This record gives sequence, structure tokens and C-alpha cells, in this order.
Amino acid sequence: QKEVEQNSGPLSVPEGAIASLNCTYSDRGSQSFFWYRQYSGKSPELIMSIYSNGDKEDGRFTAQLNKASQYVSLLIRDSQPSDSATYLCAVPGTGRRALTFGSGTRLQVQP
Amino acid sequence: SQTIHQWPATLVQPVGSPLSLECTVEGTSNPNLYWYRQAAGRGLQLLFYSVGIGQISSEVPQNLSASRPQDRQFILSSKKLLLSDSGFYLCAWSGSIYEQYFGPGTRLTVT
Repeated sequence: QKEVEQNSGPLSVPEGAIASLNCTYSDRGSQSFFWYRQYSGKSPELIMSIYSNGDKEDGRFTAQLNKASQYVSLLIRDSQPSDSATYLCAVPGTGRRALTFGSGTRLQVQP
Repeated sequence: SQTIHQWPATLVQPVGSPLSLECTVEGTSNPNLYWYRQAAGRGLQLLFYSVGIGQISSEVPQNLSASRPQDRQFILSSKKLLLSDSGFYLCAWSGSIYEQYFGPGTRLTVT
């Protein structure tokens, strides 16, 4: 089982809709979780961090963490074409001081 | 604020030639530093990370090496490039927590 799993997509949503991106992880001891956005040809950009169960909101973005079920999700409200990118989920790697990244979900927001 | 630089931005090198990519961080002390590679359409592969000067952990045995000659400088090298070394090379830093911040990346094409 991979440490971090994401559906590769593409996930296509119409402009103005809610985009829901999901990520599961294998290490029950993980305490911190991160979402990165990567535009085509660019480097990843950290957009959300979440450390405790429940929801964390930042503007149009909401991260949801459920440690019992070992999943973390990212909701993007009022999706815009500029949100079209690949979204990477990351958790601390087991036994090392580095993040393990999922392969990413490609989001396409249709105008 | 912290800034991370990488150069060169793009590089085209023949098979068998040497490689040196440089990464520097400004505005922080004693950062953790990371080198990742992203092949076309693929996820991020951690190559090396460093928690201090001269301390390098290698994640993937291959023909690449890394060095950290100064606190905020991280260098990725190869003596002889392979075609499979082509990709997008990303340097990242983190502080005392796991949040990582990426540089702009170097796109390497081995011909």
C-alpha cells in the first residue's frame, strides 16, 4: 500500500461549483497534513496545512481531516478556471524528516 | 521573509556529461533542505534531504549526489548524466515543522 494515495483525475467541475479532492494515507501516527497546488510547468505551492481532526477554512479552501478513517480532503468552493491545477497531498514520511507526496489529482474547472 | 533560489532554470545536457544544480535559501537559519525530481506527468520523488551542513540522507540509490557546503546552500551533482535523469528538479526547505516550501525548479533535459 502506498503511503499517500490520490485519484489522479482529471476531476472536471463547472465554474462556481465545489471541487472535492481526496487523499488517504497509511501511517496512523501521522499528525500533520498538507495540500499543495501545482500549476503546469511550475513548482508546488503550499495552500493548506491541517493538524487536528475536523475542518480548517481559508478563504474558498477548506481542508477536512479524519484521522480515524485516515483521509484528508480539500474542498474548493466557487471554483474558478484559475483553480485548474494539480493538487498534491503530503504527509510526513515514516522514519524520516521529509514529506511523502501523493501523485496528485488534476483539477479542471470548466468556464 | 524567506526566499529560495534555484539555478539554472533550464538546462539541456548530453548523456555522459556532468551536472551541478544549486539551491540557496535566504531569510532563515539552519533550514532542512530537500531535492526532489518530478518526471513528466509524474509525482514528486524525494532524492536527498539534509538537516545540517554536511549531513545528507539519500533516498534513492542512483548516479546523483548532493552536498551542503554552507548552511543555506544545497547542491545536486552527477558525474555522468543518463537519459533517465531528465526531469524537473525541485529544491525545498522547511523549518522546525514539516511545512516545505519549494523553489522555482530546474528543468533538465538529457539528450
